[in-house]
Amino acid sequence: DAGVIQSPRHEVTEMGQEVTLRCKPISGHDYLFWYRQTMMRGLELLIYFNNNVPIDDSGMPEDRFSAKMPNASFSTLKIQPSEPRDSAVYFCASSERGVGANVLTFGAGSRLTVL
Amino acid sequence: AQSVTQLGSHVSVSEGALVLLRCNYSSSVPPYLFWYVQYPNQGLQLLLKYTSAATLVKGINGFEAEFKKSETSFHLTKPSAHMRDAAEYFCAVSVTGRRALTFGSGTRLQVQP
Repeated sequence: DAGVIQSPRHEVTEMGQEVTLRCKPISGHDYLFWYRQTMMRGLELLIYFNNNVPIDDSGMPEDRFSAKMPNASFSTLKIQPSEPRDSAVYFCASSERGVGANVLTFGAGSRLTVL
Repeated sequence: AQSVTQLGSHVSVSEGALVLLRCNYSSSVPPYLFWYVQYPNQGLQLLLKYTSAATLVKGINGFEAEFKKSETSFHLTKPSAHMRDAAEYFCAVSVTGRRALTFGSGTRLQVQP
């Protein structure tokens, strides 16, 4: 398997523009997670899905952020309008269904810079 | 709610020396504990996980960690550091019923020649 695939790897945009980050989870994984990494706040969970349904979106910063999972092989994280404080690395991760410990497999991340 | 605290944002060791990265957890129920490693410009990779089967857990690249309930700790060790171990290391926790992981703030390991 190719692992978790994220695109774009790097995005530079201007304040006020819409940003869409994409993620393809590992085939057969039932859970998908979006995390954000910054120097100040570390790794923060934004939202996660189970079988394409959002389970916990309490980490989504504000209404400017939205995430969707239209099918089992694709998810998007959208920021509209973007602000400089949204600059961060955004990671997507996926995991299998199962009991017990949940091992997340991460993508390489999307580095967002908002000018 | 569960959380982890990593003591020391930066640790520097000499090549061949012992590596010790500290992690303490807080959880009202039995936790699952993880160590992940992040190399520059890459995602996080699983090093090892504790799932209550054994208190001493061996992972990849010669790392291991010991779960100590009395100390609420899950420290990561490696007997002999190698240059390729230079990276950022994250401790994480989850509990039954919650699939997401909560991460610590990370410890950057520097290995001096």
